[in-house]
Amino acid sequence: KQEVTQIPAALSVPEGENLVLNCSFTDSAIYNLQWFRQDPGKGLTSLLLIQSSQREQTSGRLNASLDKSSGRSTLYIAASQPGDSATYLCAVRAGGGADGLTFGKGTHLIIQP
Amino acid sequence: GAVVSQHPSWVICKSGTSVKIECRSLDFQATTMFWYRQFPKQSLMLMATSNEGSKATYEQGVEKDKFLINHASLTLSTLTVTSAHPEDSSFYICSASFEDSSYEQYFGPGTRLTVT
Repeated sequence: KQEVTQIPAALSVPEGENLVLNCSFTDSAIYNLQWFRQDPGKGLTSLLLIQSSQREQTSGRLNASLDKSSGRSTLYIAASQPGDSATYLCAVRAGGGADGLTFGKGTHLIIQP
Repeated sequence: GAVVSQHPSWVICKSGTSVKIECRSLDFQATTMFWYRQFPKQSLMLMATSNEGSKATYEQGVEKDKFLINHASLTLSTLTVTSAHPEDSSFYICSASFEDSSYEQYFGPGTRLTVT
């Protein structure tokens, strides 16, 4: 059974810092990996999706990397801002088509003004 | 594009009653829809997967007679929590995907269910 672990569980840093969130998964046979953002009491906002054949994806200040063979992904946030404060979730998909996602418990991020 | 809505956004019901939650894909036809549940300070757990016109596939440990899923069209799936109990109180989130999106899942805003 696939398990997804995110480290750290919580992180508080001053505004402007660059930071890295980590995600690991036990079964490397994945179809893709997604990073999401969740604000308190809200749904999910998709940030980046990396297909299993890709090594990284970038969107603005966000960069996500994938090392499928070692079962790891990182989300890099550059020049953090208070608006980046949220819970960041990593999720993997086992196969294409009708497979659901397996989520980690998330990293609760606070950016101090 | 790729917007998913849920209704209601929150609901309070009495123990023993049934509650229906709707999930709609607003600007695309969803090949597959998924239902997840999230308890406080926990991650999302997949409950079931549904395809239009066929029976839903439930994850291990999820009671199919308690959580009824109907996927009547390519844009609508419903989750009915039958005979709800306080332990069913949770945040329910749906997602939808279609082939052209490389099966990326698009999530709805979620429904907060509180059973008293």
